[in-house]
This record gives sequence, C-alpha cells and structure tokens, in this order.
Amino acid sequence: GAGVSQSPSNKVTEKGKDVELRCDPISGHTALYWYRQRLGQGLEFLIYFQGNSAPDKSGLPSDRFSAERTGESVSTLTIQRTQQEDSAVYLCASTPDSSTVAGYTFGSGTRLTVV
Amino acid sequence: SQQGEEDPQALSIQEGENATMNCSYKTSINNLQWYRQNSGRGLVHLILIRSNEREKHSGRLRVTLDTSKKSSSLLITASRAADTASYFCATSGGYQKVTFGTGTKLQVIP
Repeated sequence: GAGVSQSPSNKVTEKGKDVELRCDPISGHTALYWYRQRLGQGLEFLIYFQGNSAPDKSGLPSDRFSAERTGESVSTLTIQRTQQEDSAVYLCASTPDSSTVAGYTFGSGTRLTVV
Repeated sequence: SQQGEEDPQALSIQEGENATMNCSYKTSINNLQWYRQNSGRGLVHLILIRSNEREKHSGRLRVTLDTSKKSSSLLITASRAADTASYFCATSGGYQKVTFGTGTKLQVIP
C-alpha cells in the first residue's frame, strides 16, 4: 500500500481481556517498529523486526505483550490480560531497511482504552 | 540512553513569528531526526541531519546540530496556524531503532 496502515483505529476493551493490534507496513519495507505513546508523553519503543532476523524485543514492558511478523508483511501486537495502564496509542512504523537514514513512516496508530 | 529531551515542553506564539525548539541527547549519534505529530496520532518525518552536518534547511524549517554539545534546534520561520502540533526529536546510531524525545507542544495563534 501507499502508507502504513493500522487497525483498528480505536479499541475499547475491558480490563483482563486480550487485544490484537494490526500493522500493514509499506510494501517492500523490511524493517517494522512498534511504539507506545501514553497521553501527553513521548514514544516508547516496544519491538523491532528486520527481515528474517530475530526481533529486538527489548522494549516490551511485560510478558503480557507479544508481537509477530510473518516475513516482511503484516505484524500483530498482542496484549494479554489488559490493564488500565496499557491504555495508550500504539504506533507502528516501517523503513526500507535497517538503516534509519530514510526516516520512519508511521501509521495513524491504534488508540487503546482499557476500562 | 540516547533519549532526547525537548525544550521548551510547550510554546505558544503568534502567527508569523518564528518558533525555536531545542533537543538535547546523551550519547553519540549517527543522525538526528525531527518529526511532527498532529492530534496524538501518527508522526510525520520532517527532516534528518547527519552527525557530520551542522545545519540543514527544508522549506521554512532550519535544523542545526552541535555534536560537541549534544544538542539540536528546529527553527520554523514565519509560522502558520497549521504548524500547531507536537514536535519530537529522535536520535539514532544509524541502524535499528530510533529513540524519541519527550516532545514540544507548539501552538500558533492566528
């Protein structure tokens, strides 16, 4: 596609339920990133995928968070047993390769509200 | 951590004035990038400056980088109401993830 697509754009869930967020990167972009942004805060790195290499999961805040990516296409971020502190905008970005000099292309984000 | 910190946290100016935002970071970098975010959604890449560059221009944007002070500034000249947004600096070692700062919230009053 022309840009990075994320779905859903908004998600309201009850505390304790699982949620799955989806990201479609730009076609041909091998690198994909997930960030979290709490209200009024900066971006917090969660996880990074590059091609078929092992993902960098160093930013995942707990074992309730996991992410997958099939090849160089769609990625899903799963949050199990959601807590209120998980409420945030979850942003996905992609780049052509592992170099950062092209700058990130971001999706519009998924706004997650845990009630 | 390479995390940048923007200064000021918030800035309010009149349309037509210039807006200057600053970013400081902690470790050596390969490049520094500035992004804009409207309404808490996706960020838009504005400009990238490499560590061996001191100044870069793009339209009404001017970015400077001082690696000895580990700081950068973003100047928006002749601001417009449409420039109202949050602005983030982001640092990178050149590969893999980019680390974002805390952002400056700019309000341009018509």
